[in-house]
Amino acid sequence: EVQLVESGGGLVQPGGSLRLSCAASGFTFTDYWMHWVRQPPGTGLEWVSRIDSAGTTTRLADSVKGRFTISRDNAKNTLYLQINHLRAEDTAVYYCVRASWGNYHFDYWGHGTLLTVSS
Amino acid sequence: QTVVTQEPSISVSPGGTATLTCGLSSDSVSTSYYPSWYQQTPGRAPRTLIYNTNTRSSGVPDRFYGSILGNTAALTITGAQADDESDYFCMLHLGDGVMVFGGGTKLTVL
Repeated sequence: EVQLVESGGGLVQPGGSLRLSCAASGFTFTDYWMHWVRQPPGTGLEWVSRIDSAGTTTRLADSVKGRFTISRDNAKNTLYLQINHLRAEDTAVYYCVRASWGNYHFDYWGHGTLLTVSS
Repeated sequence: QTVVTQEPSISVSPGGTATLTCGLSSDSVSTSYYPSWYQQTPGRAPRTLIYNTNTRSSGVPDRFYGSILGNTAALTITGAQADDESDYFCMLHLGDGVMVFGGGTKLTVL
């Protein structure tokens, strides 16, 4: 069974940093591109970032460029999202998502981890 | 800036048919964008419904149908049921694994 389990969310002050993690299991992690998607409270989904299966290429949404970094440790089957210079508008549930074969859509979603940025 | 448009809300009667659309501010939506659709109920993670325009994910009933209608992608729900009441998000693939979501449609069944 495919499982994606996010962790690392919580309450953080503006300007701070943190790293979200996503532990993957039930599939060959090294075969799949992975993504982060976020959802601010009461609003819609926003694509944040993606990383290829080897961890060699990444892409970021314009709204997070310069502050967010996506990475992965294929030996640990874990996806990461490093977030720096946190802002109130980063408050959201962050989902770890697996891209399908072909990388044109998502097939599995984690349950999400809530990040709240507030003083 | 790529903007994907969806109806904010749609109401449908039980047993009726609802069509949700997904448009682009600067282009026509075609199969080249590999439109996909996701269903989300409050407090839950999204669930993949439709991908590659019209392919249903495993376990999705054939009441859910994806298509291209004119210059938009569309999700049609026939025989609407109470538990279809959810938020529905379309997503387009812009290339190189970059995705963009629409703002979502809140479907009410009443």
